Amino acid sequence: EAGVAQSPRYKIIEKRQSVAFWCNPISGHATLYWYQQILGQGPKLLIQFQNNGVVDDSQLPKDRFSAERLKGVDSTLKIQPAKLEDSAVYLCASSRDSSGSKNIQYFGAGTRLSVL
Amino acid sequence: RKEVEQDPGPFNVPEGATVAFNCTYSNSASQSFFWYRQDCRKEPKLLMSVYSSGNEDGRFTAQLNRASQYISLLIRDSKLSDSATYLCVVTPSGGYNKLIFGAGTRLAVHP
Repeated sequence: EAGVAQSPRYKIIEKRQSVAFWCNPISGHATLYWYQQILGQGPKLLIQFQNNGVVDDSQLPKDRFSAERLKGVDSTLKIQPAKLEDSAVYLCASSRDSSGSKNIQYFGAGTRLSVL
Repeated sequence: RKEVEQDPGPFNVPEGATVAFNCTYSNSASQSFFWYRQDCRKEPKLLMSVYSSGNEDGRFTAQLNRASQYISLLIRDSKLSDSATYLCVVTPSGGYNKLIFGAGTRLAVHP
């Protein structure tokens, strides 16, 4: 079974530029998550999709971050404009469903963003 | 106060040692509890779920104390390959399978 695919693996941009990350979840997984992991910290949930609908975006900085999951499969996360403090690893995860506590989340390898 | 707190370490132990990690969580209504493992520059991977009755998987034992809001992970007979960061994770009440991660405890096992 193929895992969660993310691209690019690395991205270096200057502050105030825009950047987009792509995620392809495990086939058949209804729920998709984007996490931000700053160096030395645990991952923090930015946004959660159930199929193509948003179920939690309470920690997404909506003035600069946006995400979509058209057709309930692939997802993109965009930052516009980027700030220095956005430097982090952006992890995408997917699970079969979001109901019940036993749904395991599988993570992609992440995109490492450096904002200069 | 952070929702999930862990000792950041690092824990430096020799091969064969027994090491224990602790974690506390602030929301008494939290529903599910996990330990994830994260290797350097890799993604987190589920190590094991944690139950009040305690659970064991080979050399790894996890324990939950709901009254104290405390989670532990014990690793026996440490191997070099156990070197990683161990993340304590809870799921709050209210569904949606949201994971709240601690900052992680780093373990380095040396020969």
